[in-house]
Amino acid sequence: GAVVSQHPSRVICKSGTSVKIECRSLDFQATTMFWYRQFPKQSLMLMATSNEGSKATYEQGVEKDKFLINHASLTLSTLTVTSAHPEDSSFYICSAGQGTGANVLTFGAGSRLTVL
Amino acid sequence: SQQGEEDPQALSIQEGENATMNCSYKTSINNLQWYRQNSGRGLVHLILIRSNEREKHSGRLRVTLDTSKKSSSLLITASRAADTASYFCATETGTYKYIFGTGTRLKVLA
Repeated sequence: GAVVSQHPSRVICKSGTSVKIECRSLDFQATTMFWYRQFPKQSLMLMATSNEGSKATYEQGVEKDKFLINHASLTLSTLTVTSAHPEDSSFYICSAGQGTGANVLTFGAGSRLTVL
Repeated sequence: SQQGEEDPQALSIQEGENATMNCSYKTSINNLQWYRQNSGRGLVHLILIRSNEREKHSGRLRVTLDTSKKSSSLLITASRAADTASYFCATETGTYKYIFGTGTRLKVLA
């Protein structure tokens, strides 16, 4: 079945540094990927839609300059948290449509970011 | 917020009992899906029900959809300890674009 790989699974960084999270579709091409943020014991909040070869579409309230998204190929989207601060600490999850027409999302395992 | 609401927020049952979770949403939908999330992990797709369907089964899962009430329910029968997880409904508002419910944290006690 469709597999989405997300890396790294955990990252700890100092305040002010930038962190890149990768999301890869391993056995299918994904023209569209999605990035979510999840706080402890809460639901997923859609941050942005990553479109291959074009600019990402950000949800209201999400800073595009803080969360840079690049979707340079049909199998890779990256989320860069720039100048990270402790309030950016969260669980970030990506997903991709399987492209089978069933509109089912395949999720990565998530990346836990801790900003010190 | 367009986010759906789920209830209960948390549910604790004994192994072998049935677990029912409810989801209400706000907008018109193409379909509704249920996903499961084990602690600290990504989500796994469980079942999809289209807007023109009223009920769907998959193994021990039964999903209903009432578009007039904008609500859905997920029933897990004969629950097992391994069913312990968070369960989210998700409504499609655009191609592959989903809004997730607030989630139900299910704990099945052995």
